[in-house]
Amino acid sequence: EAQLVESGGGLVKPGRSLRLSCTTSRFTFGDYAMAWFRQGPGKGLEWVSFIRSNSRGGTAEYAASVKGRFTMSRDDSKSIAYLQMNSLKTEDTAVYYCTRSRETTGRGVMYWGQGTLVTVSS
Amino acid sequence: DTQMTQSPSSLSASVGDRVTITCQASQDISNSLNWYQQKPGKGPKVLIYDAYNLETGVPSRFSGSGSGTDFTLTITSLQPEDIATYYCQQHGNFPPTFGQGTRLEIK
Repeated sequence: EAQLVESGGGLVKPGRSLRLSCTTSRFTFGDYAMAWFRQGPGKGLEWVSFIRSNSRGGTAEYAASVKGRFTMSRDDSKSIAYLQMNSLKTEDTAVYYCTRSRETTGRGVMYWGQGTLVTVSS
Repeated sequence: DTQMTQSPSSLSASVGDRVTITCQASQDISNSLNWYQQKPGKGPKVLIYDAYNLETGVPSRFSGSGSGTDFTLTITSLQPEDIATYYCQQHGNFPPTFGQGTRLEIK
């Protein structure tokens, strides 16, 4: 079974930056699309970003709430996906989850990590 | 964006009961719907994918149905370990969106 482990969360002041990592194993990372979702305290789930496999262009998409501030990337040689978060706002406070697509086309979501907490507060 | 309306928001049932949760999409998503179970402090776990496919390792008391805009998750005989929050999520239209969640409790 695929494994996804998020790291890099923590307490950060508004306006600052943070980079999350999603370290994966037990599958061929380069074959799949990856995504980030988040869940604010006591709230529901929200999609944040998605990156296609390099064979499908390797391009990323973003939710309107983070577009222009967050950048998702991938390093297939290390089987790691990243989320660079700049100009953080208090409303970005959430547990951030990394996911892998179900299909190599990028369709669906199959595996989730355990999450990493990001707290944006002065 | 495709809005997902999930109901009920909370539900209390007895062990052995049949439980039904519904999810309605604001536009046609074909069968592109997942159901998740989330327990406190954990990431979501896929129960059902593409509306009616049971994820490997998930007990057969869970089932999904529906297509287009109306979907249902059914637990045929509720067990104590099923206490969790359940979410639907569509991936038929961009961006992917979730229902508001159903908190399931034991009566």
